[in-house]
Amino acid sequence: EVQLVESGGGLVQPGGSLRLSCAVSGFDFRSYWMTWVRQAPGKGLEWVANIREDGSEIKYVDSVKGRFTISRDNAKNSLYLLMNSLRAEDTALYYCARDRYTSNYGGFDFWGQGTLVTVSS
Amino acid sequence: DIQMTQSPSTLSASVGDRVTITCRASQSIGMWLAWYQQKPGKAPKLLIYKESSLQSGVPSRFSGSGSGTEFTLTISSLQPDDFATYYCQHYNNFPYTFGQGTKLEIK
Repeated sequence: EVQLVESGGGLVQPGGSLRLSCAVSGFDFRSYWMTWVRQAPGKGLEWVANIREDGSEIKYVDSVKGRFTISRDNAKNSLYLLMNSLRAEDTALYYCARDRYTSNYGGFDFWGQGTLVTVSS
Repeated sequence: DIQMTQSPSTLSASVGDRVTITCRASQSIGMWLAWYQQKPGKAPKLLIYKESSLQSGVPSRFSGSGSGTEFTLTISSLQPDDFATYYCQHYNNFPYTFGQGTKLEIK
């Protein structure tokens, strides 16, 4: 059974930092791109960042470039998102998901349950 | 960046109805479009990928069509479980972007 379990969310002050983790099981983690998607309270979905199977290629949405860092540890089947210089507008539920980018399919086919990040003083 | 625009934003329908949701891209994305269903408090669920391919386990009443810049998601006969919010997403290039969502409500 495929499982993605996020952790690390919480309440942080503006300008603070947080590191999210996503523990993966049930598939060959090192064979897939992985992604972070966020959803502000009551709002729609926003893609945040992607990382290639071996970590050699990384993409970010403009609003987080220079502040967020996506990474992965294939030996630990884990995905991470280090978030620095957090702003109120970063408040959201953060999901990790599997991206079938390099397959002939595409789309995010497995998702975690999300971890909530709240940026407030 | 490619903008994705869904219409309508809200749709009221009854069980058994045929409904269509439209997604327009600001430039051509080929067939690189996915549709997701999201229920309150739950993660999104992939329904359709590559414009018209049905994800494994998704009922056949869901279908996708279109190409280039205009796409549709059709539910042939609404079931009670289908009332949710639906999002389109392109993956033609980075940054990926989602539509703003279509909330499907019970009439």
